[in-house]
Amino acid sequence: GNSVTQMEGPVTLSEEAFLTINCTYTATGYPSLFWYVQYPGEGLQLLLKATKADDKGSNKGFEATYRKETTSFHLEKGSVQVSDSAVYFCALSHYNQFYFGTGTSLTVIP
Amino acid sequence: KAGVTQTPRYLIKTRGQQVTLSCSPISGHRSVSWYQQTPGQGLQFLFEYFSETQRNKGNFPGRFSGRQFSNSRSEMNVSTLELGDSALYLCASSLGAGGASTDTQYFGPGTRLTVL
Repeated sequence: GNSVTQMEGPVTLSEEAFLTINCTYTATGYPSLFWYVQYPGEGLQLLLKATKADDKGSNKGFEATYRKETTSFHLEKGSVQVSDSAVYFCALSHYNQFYFGTGTSLTVIP
Repeated sequence: KAGVTQTPRYLIKTRGQQVTLSCSPISGHRSVSWYQQTPGQGLQFLFEYFSETQRNKGNFPGRFSGRQFSNSRSEMNVSTLELGDSALYLCASSLGAGGASTDTQYFGPGTRLTVL
């Protein structure tokens, strides 16, 4: 079946450090892939998405590339800020169904 | 365009009671999905409605039910509440039509349910 596996947290980084959160997926065919972010006390917000192989999604300095050969969609940011502290969810969409990873908590310290 | 709205934002109930949560999707969206989020289990899919019909269902007991109205607004009901039902309940809307490979879900802020 379809599933998403993402890196366990929590992750703690210093401000301006490089961030990578790994995400791999299992799916037949060609799903769409997403990263969502959840700030404390809020719902999930769409951060970025990619709908086909080799697409790169980007937003607010975050990037992720849809790699079909490695079934991955890793999230990266070159220089994190304290305001990036949140929980990040990788997800896939396939034939009207959505599958979410377990979330990775990120804390950025000044 | 207004986002997904959920009411109420906070609820406190006691065991054995029932509760109804409401979700208004983004205008033009016909699919509404519900999720339960807890610290221990993460984000778990409850069900999805499209054009007033339940299209997908997660692995939850029959105490959890939902419906969707002709204007795409959706309600979720939990009967005979248990302590373990305490959670953040999130609603998400999407266009829902077609192959869905390019569909995107947009989430509301959630309803925080506490069962005492």
